[in-house]
Amino acid sequence: DAKTTQPNSMESNEEEPVHLPCNHSTISGTDYIHWYRQLPSQGPEYVIHGLTSNVNNRMASLAIAEDRKSSTLILHRATLRDAAVYYCILRGRDDKIIFGKGTRLHILP
Amino acid sequence: GAGVSQSPRYKVTKRGQDVALRCDPISGHVSLYWYRQALGQGPEFLTYFNYEAQQDKSGLPNDRFSAERPEGSISTLTIQRTEQRDSAMYRCASSGRDRVYNEQFFGPGTRLTVL
Repeated sequence: DAKTTQPNSMESNEEEPVHLPCNHSTISGTDYIHWYRQLPSQGPEYVIHGLTSNVNNRMASLAIAEDRKSSTLILHRATLRDAAVYYCILRGRDDKIIFGKGTRLHILP
Repeated sequence: GAGVSQSPRYKVTKRGQDVALRCDPISGHVSLYWYRQALGQGPEFLTYFNYEAQQDKSGLPNDRFSAERPEGSISTLTIQRTEQRDSAMYRCASSGRDRVYNEQFFGPGTRLTVL
């Protein structure tokens, strides 16, 4: 399974944008980039996914580098409820998701 | 509609006992996944099913762990002769027809404690 690299933790102030980086230099042409997050004491939840083009949804935006070797999850205006562990995952034709250690995001009030 | 449900939510057992953990996926979801999560770690893949067929069991730690989904809906993860190292949160997820690109919906988990 393709591997991703994320910072262990990040901090951001409330109501400011947050950019969560992910490196995936060994990504293959058919791998999709998925992001999940896990709030404290809850199961993971889907955030967003993309292949080549940047993607937006109600939760976040996903910016994908032109060479696809890195991507950035963007929370446009972080709230305290966005404090969670964020996982960047590559999904190929195999259905399974392999979670790494993710980035623990702390939001400062 | 109802989300993924798991039972029991908490299970305390003595070492050497067998346990069965149940997952009821979202109605109509084709794929079902089992994960194990230790405190402070990300979820660890165990196995998954498409309909009733077990597609990948490479994540099952050893032969004490098994899973089934006989009718393509409810699934049971069984751990035989439990050991203390089996203590963890066991999570189930399901997803719809477009398995690779659709999101996985996770249940609340079963917290297993082996004494």
